[in-house]
Amino acid sequence: LAKTTQPISMDSYEGQEVNITCSHNNIATNDYITWYQQFPSQGPRFIIQGYKTKVTNEVASLFIPADRKSSTLSLPRVSLSDTAVYYCLVGDPANAGGTSYGKLTFGQGTILTVHP
Amino acid sequence: GAGVSQSPSNKVTEKGKDVELRCDPISGHTALYWYRQSLGQGLEFLIYFQGNSAPDKSGLPSDRFSAERTGGSVSTLTIQRTQQEDSAVYLCASSLVGQGALVSEQFFGPGTRLTVL
Repeated sequence: LAKTTQPISMDSYEGQEVNITCSHNNIATNDYITWYQQFPSQGPRFIIQGYKTKVTNEVASLFIPADRKSSTLSLPRVSLSDTAVYYCLVGDPANAGGTSYGKLTFGQGTILTVHP
Repeated sequence: GAGVSQSPSNKVTEKGKDVELRCDPISGHTALYWYRQSLGQGLEFLIYFQGNSAPDKSGLPSDRFSAERTGGSVSTLTIQRTQQEDSAVYLCASSLVGQGALVSEQFFGPGTRLTVL
């Protein structure tokens, strides 16, 4: 299972754009990149998933370069409520019924603190 | 229910006692996962169930940990002879399993905070 590396923490201010980069140098051909968000005392929540190039939804964008060895989660105009831990994961969703995806490793994530 | 539910929300026990943690997944989700999260740490995979297949138990930290899933729905994680290092939040998640990328999104419950004194 591909290992991911993220910054331990980041600070930002309300209204700014935040970019969190994740490194996954040994990502496999079938692996997708998924980001989760976790607030204190809650379980993680899915944010976005992608395979290559750019994916955008109502809360975030995900940028993946051609070599796929890294990815960047972009949060536009953050607010105080975006303060949370953000986890980057790689895995093969098509094999979710098998053992590789079932062994998702979340790592320690990135603690994002948004200041007023 | 609308989401994954877990019970109890908090459990305090004495060292050496057995505990049972319950997870009710989202109806229709065939995959169920248990994770453990120690204070300030990421999630540690414990065990994975997919339909009626034999579970992947490779993440269980010791033979004191076991889990079952009855009827492909509710799951129970049992920890025997609890130790202080078992203190953590135990999270359960469920997902649909299919060929598309997005169907593998895991939906998490609120967790059970276990404290072993």
